[in-house]
Amino acid sequence: GAVVSQHPSRVICKSGTSVKIECRSLDFQATTMFWYRQFPKKSLMLMATSNEGSKATYEQGVEKDKFLINHASLTLSTLTVTSAHPEDSSFYICSARDSQGGTEAFFGQGTRLTVV
Amino acid sequence: DAKTTQPTSMDCAEGRAANLPCNHSTISGNEYVYWYRQIHSQGPQYIIHGLKNNETNEMASLIITEDRKSSTLILPHATLRDTAVYYCIVRVANYGQNFVFGPGTRLSVLP
Repeated sequence: GAVVSQHPSRVICKSGTSVKIECRSLDFQATTMFWYRQFPKKSLMLMATSNEGSKATYEQGVEKDKFLINHASLTLSTLTVTSAHPEDSSFYICSARDSQGGTEAFFGQGTRLTVV
Repeated sequence: DAKTTQPTSMDCAEGRAANLPCNHSTISGNEYVYWYRQIHSQGPQYIIHGLKNNETNEMASLIITEDRKSSTLILPHATLRDTAVYYCIVRVANYGQNFVFGPGTRLSVLP
C-alpha cells in the first residue's frame, strides 16, 4: 500500500515552545490530509482537515491559532503546536488518501508529543 | 456515516483463525465497510475494505452479509503480531471525507 511518513516519531518539548510535525505522502499525491489526536486508551479524534493550497478546516473545539496547519504541496502537510502546554501531550497522527487511487486512506506512524 | 458496533475485546489462540464481527445495521447503499488495525503506539494500518462482495487479500478476508447489516474480518492464521485494536468503519467513498474511529475491538492473540 501507499506510504505516509510522519516526522518526528517522538518529541519532548518545554512548556511555551512550539513543535512542528511533518506528514509526507511518499509515493502519491494528496490534495487532502487529515490530522488526528489520540489520548491514552482512547480512539482517534479528528482535529482538522488539511487542504493543499487553502486554509485547513478545524473540528469544533480545536483552536486554529494553537494548532497551525500548512499544506503547501501535494505531498506535505505540517502541524505546528504553538505555545505547547502539558495538556497538549498526546499522540498525533496524520492520514492521506491518493488523489488518483482507491478509497482507502493511509496513516502515518504517529508522533508522540510530551510537553514538560 | 453509519454507526458500527464491535465487541470490546476478543482473544484468539496463535495459529487459529480470528473472526472479528462488526454490526452496521444502518448502512446505506453507497457506504463501504473498511477495516483498520492499530498496533500499540503506531498509526492505524489499512487491512481491507468492501462494498457488498466478499473480499480477500494477503492480510485478511472480509465477509459481508447479503443484507450488508454486518460483516466479519477473518485473519486466517493469527500470530502474536496480530495483537492490536481492530476498527470497523463504514463510510461513503468520498475523497475529502475523513475516517471516523470508534472504540474498536482489542484482539489479543495468545501463545
